[in-house]
Amino acid sequence: SAVISQKPSRDICQRGTSLTIQCQVDSQVTMMFWYRQQPGQSLTLIATANQGSEATYESGFVIDKFPISRPNLTFSTLTVSNMSPEDSSIYLCSVESTGEQFFGPGTRLTVL
Amino acid sequence: GENVEQHPSTLSVQEGDSAVIKCTYSDSASNYFPWYKQELGKRPQLIIDIRSNVGEKKDQRIAVTLNKTAKHFSLHITETQPEDSAVYFCAASNVGDYKLSFGAGTTVTVRA
Repeated sequence: SAVISQKPSRDICQRGTSLTIQCQVDSQVTMMFWYRQQPGQSLTLIATANQGSEATYESGFVIDKFPISRPNLTFSTLTVSNMSPEDSSIYLCSVESTGEQFFGPGTRLTVL
Repeated sequence: GENVEQHPSTLSVQEGDSAVIKCTYSDSASNYFPWYKQELGKRPQLIIDIRSNVGEKKDQRIAVTLNKTAKHFSLHITETQPEDSAVYFCAASNVGDYKLSFGAGTTVTVRA
């Protein structure tokens, strides 16, 4: 399985600011995804980030709020823009590898 | 879009007993059904998955069954151990896009 790391592991931010989360994979992968897991809840897909194309966003998520970059086959970033306390969540990247999907360790974001 | 329902939300079993978690899905195009285990503060870990061309799959104490006609699939854990205590999530997707729709999760507690 792919080895996935995320930075930062956690952060506390002030409302109105932005945070960029990085996701690094130890092998080249075509499909990368970003999920959100609100406290005590399940996982919800934010967007799919494929290299060489624009990210595709799920219903309820927009590019202005969650811009995504995918500069190469091993790296992606998710920015949470103009944050509010409702954005406090764990943000996880995942990758598809050999027909299975594996998750990064997550970034725990608290917005004050 | 896909809607995945998961039951029960909590499950308490005596060590050595079996645990069963059931999920239903709505989109007949879904053909990939993974199960994830998430321990407190950790990332979701893939424990078993099944594709629509298979009715049952087993891996040691864990088994998954799929009924495509009824659109439901189940996770079975036999001979439960304290280390099986965690939150378990079912998910569904189309193998073509790997966009996972998750169930709400089941908190499993194994009593020693």
